[in-house]
Amino acid sequence: GNSVTQMEGPVTLSEEAFLTINCTYTATGYPSLFWYVQYPGEGLQLLLKATKADDKGSNKGFEATYRKETTSFHLEKGSVQVSDSAVYFCALSDNGNQFYFGTGTSLTVIP
Amino acid sequence: DSGVTQTPKHLITATGQRVTLRCSPRSGDLSVYWYQQSLDQGLQFLIQYYNGEERAKGNILERFSAQQFPDLHSELNLSSLELGDSALYFCASSVSWDTTYEQYFGPGTRLTVT
Repeated sequence: GNSVTQMEGPVTLSEEAFLTINCTYTATGYPSLFWYVQYPGEGLQLLLKATKADDKGSNKGFEATYRKETTSFHLEKGSVQVSDSAVYFCALSDNGNQFYFGTGTSLTVIP
Repeated sequence: DSGVTQTPKHLITATGQRVTLRCSPRSGDLSVYWYQQSLDQGLQFLIQYYNGEERAKGNILERFSAQQFPDLHSELNLSSLELGDSALYFCASSVSWDTTYEQYFGPGTRLTVT
């Protein structure tokens, strides 16, 4: 079946450090891939997405590339800020409109 | 503010009871999704409606049901509640049935079953 496996947290980084949050998936067919962010006390917000292999999603300095050969969609940011502290979810949507989320990775950025 | 509203914000009820959660999508959005977020299960997709019709069904229990009304608001009904149903329930809306379109999440309803 379809599933998403996400890097365990929590992750703590100093401001301006490089961020990578790993995400791999299992899916039949050609899913769409997403990263969502959840700030404390709020609902999820779409951070970026990619709908086909080799697509790169990017937003607010975050990037992720849809790698079909490694079934991965790792999230990266070159220089994190305190305001990036949140929980990050990797997700996939299959052709049946089902959504599958990873367990979430909590990121704390310290000044 | 995403434009999606959910009521109530908090709900405390006893096992065996029935509750209704309400969601109003953003103006112009035809699609509504329901999700359950709990500590042990993580974030689970429950069900999607588009323009009043059920579009996709995820891990929704038989004790749970949902509907979308002609004015496009949606309700999630949870019955015969169990302790394990305690969770944060999110609604999201989108302009399209296509899941590649952005979903806008509401602030959630926190359900506590005692």
